[in-house]
Amino acid sequence: GESVGLHLPTLSVQEGDNSIINCAYSNSASDYFIWYKQESGKGPQFIIDIRSNMDKRQGQRVTVLLNKTVKHLSLQIAATQPGDSAVYFCAENTTPEYSGGGADGLTFGKGTHLIIQP
Amino acid sequence: DTGVSQDPRHKITKRGQNVTFRCDPISEHNRLYWYRQTLGQGPEFLTYFQNEAQLEKSRLLSDRFSAERPKGSFSTLEIQRTEQGDSAMYLCASSLAATSGRARDEQFFGPGTRLTVL
Repeated sequence: GESVGLHLPTLSVQEGDNSIINCAYSNSASDYFIWYKQESGKGPQFIIDIRSNMDKRQGQRVTVLLNKTVKHLSLQIAATQPGDSAVYFCAENTTPEYSGGGADGLTFGKGTHLIIQP
Repeated sequence: DTGVSQDPRHKITKRGQNVTFRCDPISEHNRLYWYRQTLGQGPEFLTYFQNEAQLEKSRLLSDRFSAERPKGSFSTLEIQRTEQGDSAMYLCASSLAATSGRARDEQFFGPGTRLTVL
């Protein structure tokens, strides 16, 4: 079965508001987490990542929070814009750090469709 | 545009036919991954290469699926005797293997090849 998943399939927010997308994972060995954005007809686009030795990481308008105790990951998008409308996936992996370190493919959740209302 | 290209973008075939897809990764990337994505789901990891070596292939969906990367640059994914259940988006991603001091092995995805099996 999947080791990552999302709580909500669709999230609708007003333009300019902040949005929070949640993700739960079950593999306690996972030590690397990534958020991807996928627009219709395109491949997933990297947004931000976080390693398990961190609990928060910030990018441009985005913040990822990791709670290892409850195996929960979230993506916060500040001041949402129409261009943020997409499906967002969390993904996990283990030991990606070193060449030859057993890097495997990413395990993706099912995705949350973020809809920005004007 | 991430720099990863895939060809063709769309393929329609009849059940029982063989199909082959091509992926050209970012030129300096030594790792190349194949994923399958069905409607409403996250990408599902199939296989990956480091240079020309296929390091993981146990996730290929059946023995009808095979992949090659003969010169460590472009890769092909072949599906023999296609079935209607093979209809999906096939995504390729590439990365530069993480080395000591690098925090991540970010995968850049191509636009995908959408396969429809009639």
